[in-house]
Amino acid sequence: GIQVEQSPPDLILQEGANSTLRCNFSDSVNNLQWFHQNPWGQLINLFYIPSGTKQNGRLSATTVATERYSLLYISSSQTTDSGVYFCAVPGGFKTIFGAGTRLFVKA
Amino acid sequence: NAGVTQTPKFQVLKTGQSMTLQCAQDMNHEYMSWYRQDPGMGLRLIHYSVGAGITDQGEVPNGYNVSRSTTEDFPLRLLSAAPSQTSVYFCASWAGTEAFFGQGTRLTVV
Repeated sequence: GIQVEQSPPDLILQEGANSTLRCNFSDSVNNLQWFHQNPWGQLINLFYIPSGTKQNGRLSATTVATERYSLLYISSSQTTDSGVYFCAVPGGFKTIFGAGTRLFVKA
Repeated sequence: NAGVTQTPKFQVLKTGQSMTLQCAQDMNHEYMSWYRQDPGMGLRLIHYSVGAGITDQGEVPNGYNVSRSTTEDFPLRLLSAAPSQTSVYFCASWAGTEAFFGQGTRLTVV
């Protein structure tokens, strides 16, 4: 099956810094999603992005399906951005998740 | 709408005990899934259902049973709890490719 790898595994930022999270996948996919798990454990959809670039406030994501990777950009990070960021290859009920990038933003 | 509701939020079991984790959704979604989340491993699919009466196994089904008698409910049963089942469990329902997650159940097996 498809393998989903994320990097870096852990990231510590000073508030206000920018960062890029990467997601590589082992096979061609038709779609990709990014999720944020906040420190309270709640999982929230960020982007559904099979290709191209999308932006939502300080977050943006780019997927280059032909090269099998996706990037999540966080600009002007805030402490509320802390948590774990997962990319996932959706297959509805068979969605495959990466291991996540744990982000801590220091005030 | 309540979305996806999981109960309980926390549970401690002794090895060998059985229990059922409840999951209910009020969005009339056909697709539902159970995941477990372990440190450094992301979410792994346990079982899934494509509609009432239809379930199938995911990546890590051993030790778990599911049933889907109604569209709303998708309970996960631990038959004989083992310490290896200590984890955080998430239920999700799906509207196409968009997932709606419950708040999770933190289970400890001692």
